[in-house]
Amino acid sequence: DSGVTQTPKHLITATGQRVTLRCSPRSGDLSVYWYQQSLDQGLQFLIQYYNGEERAKGNILERFSAQQFPDLHSELNLSSLELGDSALYFCASSVWGGSPLHFGNGTRLTVT
Amino acid sequence: DAKTTQPPSMDCAEGRAANLPCNHSTISGNEYVYWYRQIHSQGPQYIIHGLKNNETNEMASLIITEDRKSSTLILPHATLRDTAVYYCIALDSGGGADGLTFGKGTHLIIQP
Repeated sequence: DSGVTQTPKHLITATGQRVTLRCSPRSGDLSVYWYQQSLDQGLQFLIQYYNGEERAKGNILERFSAQQFPDLHSELNLSSLELGDSALYFCASSVWGGSPLHFGNGTRLTVT
Repeated sequence: DAKTTQPPSMDCAEGRAANLPCNHSTISGNEYVYWYRQIHSQGPQYIIHGLKNNETNEMASLIITEDRKSSTLILPHATLRDTAVYYCIALDSGGGADGLTFGKGTHLIIQP
């Protein structure tokens, strides 16, 4: 158990809809990362937050947004969903940017 | 962050040592070598990291060459549960400007 909690585990929704994925980092970790993993792609870095502030941005679409709240949990919002957004979404946390990442078990999103 | 090169796949017999190579010939002085693994559809799992010296923990050993251009992850007594994709990543001490970038890794298959 990595200590990182992601909810929900599975999500099925229709094209055009909006969903919110939630992540609770390990106790004491200030940094939160979001990754997307599609069937035919590797792990794609989306975005990183450190203590509430956006620190790094990867290949995150404009339809996607994220935030980290004062209690350090994070949410990833995906809107105007398309079939191609179907993927596993992982959250990871670390004490700070250069320390090992600890990943949750992911949210499997299916867009129909 | 320095680019790393790994073989796409490897086999190892159960109970034997699995030695996974990684080439990082352009690594800079402040970049650590990190190893993660991902068991099918689970979140990636941190294994070990090092800068110059060899490192060992309860999961594995990391051997880094003196010139730091390559490293080897050693799983001393591989079990079937070690079948996974193993990622070698070079990352600077500050965590990198664009998050942790996972390549294609090595798919290690432990044979019974």
